[in-house]
Amino acid sequence: GAGVSQSPRYKVAKRGQDVALRCDPISGHVSLFWYQQALGQGPEFLTYFQNEAQLDKSGLPSDRFFAERPEGSVSTLKIQRTQQEDSAVYLCASSPYLIYQPQHFGDGTRLSIL
Amino acid sequence: GDSVTQMEGPVTLSEEAFLTINCTYTATGYPSLFWYVQYPGEGLQLLLKATKADDKGSNKGFEATYRKETTSFHLEKGSVQVSDSAVYFCALKGEYGNKLVFGAGTILRVKS
Repeated sequence: GAGVSQSPRYKVAKRGQDVALRCDPISGHVSLFWYQQALGQGPEFLTYFQNEAQLDKSGLPSDRFFAERPEGSVSTLKIQRTQQEDSAVYLCASSPYLIYQPQHFGDGTRLSIL
Repeated sequence: GDSVTQMEGPVTLSEEAFLTINCTYTATGYPSLFWYVQYPGEGLQLLLKATKADDKGSNKGFEATYRKETTSFHLEKGSVQVSDSAVYFCALKGEYGNKLVFGAGTILRVKS
């Protein structure tokens, strides 16, 4: 079946612009996660949704970062007034709401801020 | 808070050599442990997992055993192939949480 789909695959923006990154989770997956992966580092947690409810946003680095999942399926991560330190790969993952079920990752969106 | 420490790379091996990538963790309670692999240009793929102490996860010839006494989850493979060249990430999910906490990753390069 289809995996987690992220778009765009690559995004280049000028500093100060707003960007929106999209994630289509695996159909039926209740849980959705966003992670940020800096070059040469492991992914770091940003935020978590269970259906449409954002249950944990403790990893969002600033109030410029905003995520939503209004209908409990597709999610969008928005970054306002981008800065160079926002350059990273943004990964989306989804999983069924069952204990011990692993997260399935998309290929990520590579964001470059000039 | 929870954390994962992996051995630094890159690790360079010849084909058919034995592989060990060390991983230790800090967490309260009983976390679940995972190894993910990232091939060049691709996303993270789950390689194996273990959910309780002394469990052994295995897949594609790779193995890792959940050792609570040493808080470790070392990845091993008896005979690596060129196609195993990738970045390997150790990760944990806390007993009462949902998010994954990752190590920094270990680059593996296998030469023919």
